Amino acid sequence: NAGVTQTPKFQVLKTGQSMTLQCAQDMNHNSMYWYRQDPGMGLRLIYYSASEGTTDKGEVPNGYNVSRLNKREFSLRLESAAPSQTSVYFCASNHSPGITNEKLFFGSGTQLSVL
Amino acid sequence: QKEVEQNSGPLSVPEGAIASLNCTYSDRVSQSFFWYRQYSGKSPELIMSIYSNGDKEDGRFTAQLNKASQYVSLLIRDSQPSDSATYLCAVISGNNRLAFGKGNQVVVIP
Repeated sequence: NAGVTQTPKFQVLKTGQSMTLQCAQDMNHNSMYWYRQDPGMGLRLIYYSASEGTTDKGEVPNGYNVSRLNKREFSLRLESAAPSQTSVYFCASNHSPGITNEKLFFGSGTQLSVL
Repeated sequence: QKEVEQNSGPLSVPEGAIASLNCTYSDRVSQSFFWYRQYSGKSPELIMSIYSNGDKEDGRFTAQLNKASQYVSLLIRDSQPSDSATYLCAVISGNNRLAFGKGNQVVVIP
């Protein structure tokens, strides 16, 4: 049982380049999330999807787009990367649709550097 | 004021001692509170959740909630080197958002 799988684990981009971070879960979860984690800032929600076919903005959505491709997959796209997007990105999921008391299952993270 | 604040710096405790971590939150109607542990270079994992005032114990961990004072704390008894990690406080606020604090690093010294 793989849980939440993120790819890639590491990525270096030049300013202005685009890329997509992939996330897939095999737990039949309804809700999926993208967070970024910066030193001294904690985890901040970028976008989330409470169920297949829906997406909503989180705390810091600017510069990002998301796609809930199907129930398993939730991708995060940076159209024109900026140095301010240098961060560690975590995908997470849980079963119930929307924000609930259920624990979040996190992927292993993507370390992204934008030069 | 940030939704969830964890202000104390790295906490160093000798092995076997009690580590105490505090977290305050701004939304008075928050109802759900969590502690996640994150080892260096790894992803967060849930270790405690608490919803009612008072203490909740799970093994060597005790979560304490005081809604009137808007704080939640985590005690780690008999600290072990394996407890060395960053501990993230998380709160579901009244507008149904899950907000995380910036975390507190704990270093257990053998």
